[in-house]
Amino acid sequence: DTGVSQDPRHKITKRGQNVTFRCDPISEHNRLYWYRQTLGQGPEFLTYFQNEAQLEKSRLLSDRFSAERPKGSFSTLEIQRTEQGDSAMYLCASSFTLGETQYFGPGTRLLVL
Amino acid sequence: SQQGEEDPQALSIQEGENATMNCSYKTSINNLQWYRQNSGRGLVHLILIRSNEREKHSGRLRVTLDTSKKSSSLLITASRAADTASYFCATDDTGFQKLVFGTGTRLLVSP
Repeated sequence: DTGVSQDPRHKITKRGQNVTFRCDPISEHNRLYWYRQTLGQGPEFLTYFQNEAQLEKSRLLSDRFSAERPKGSFSTLEIQRTEQGDSAMYLCASSFTLGETQYFGPGTRLLVL
Repeated sequence: SQQGEEDPQALSIQEGENATMNCSYKTSINNLQWYRQNSGRGLVHLILIRSNEREKHSGRLRVTLDTSKKSSSLLITASRAADTASYFCATDDTGFQKLVFGTGTRLLVSP
């Protein structure tokens, strides 16, 4: 399977705990994006990387959120001190270059109790 | 914030019928993409149409783009039960390909 993969697919955590999600983009895709989707809404942009450089962050990404893409390959999204409002589907996408199709992974569904 | 708005919000049809969904957006764009999402799953890319294109086809899908009206439509011909999903349009208005999604159209195709 050469698509975008995400791990874990589901995560249940208690409020205040830290969680980390991983995204593996399609091989050779330089650009990697994170989105968040709540029930009944379309995805909302969080941040994106070109290779290992994080080039833009949404104001949705509070200081409790941090994303990395070491070596320009896989990426991690960490949420510290989770809150119930963080419950959502976290989607990762990658594209080969600017202006090309973004391919999405299956998402990580987070539930904060 | 959501840039696009899909219309209708929900659409229910019978197998074999055509389904048309519309998307309106607010700012100038570089391209517009349509995605399908089955319940609780990731997004599947359908078609990308660039701002200098007016129409594109892919199998049973036809997408039109009218930049003067800031609108796009997705037509699914001869629908099947497997087409049941939510359909989203997404625009890239920054040139950085930060996609801005609409709220989606929920399509139900009954056998």
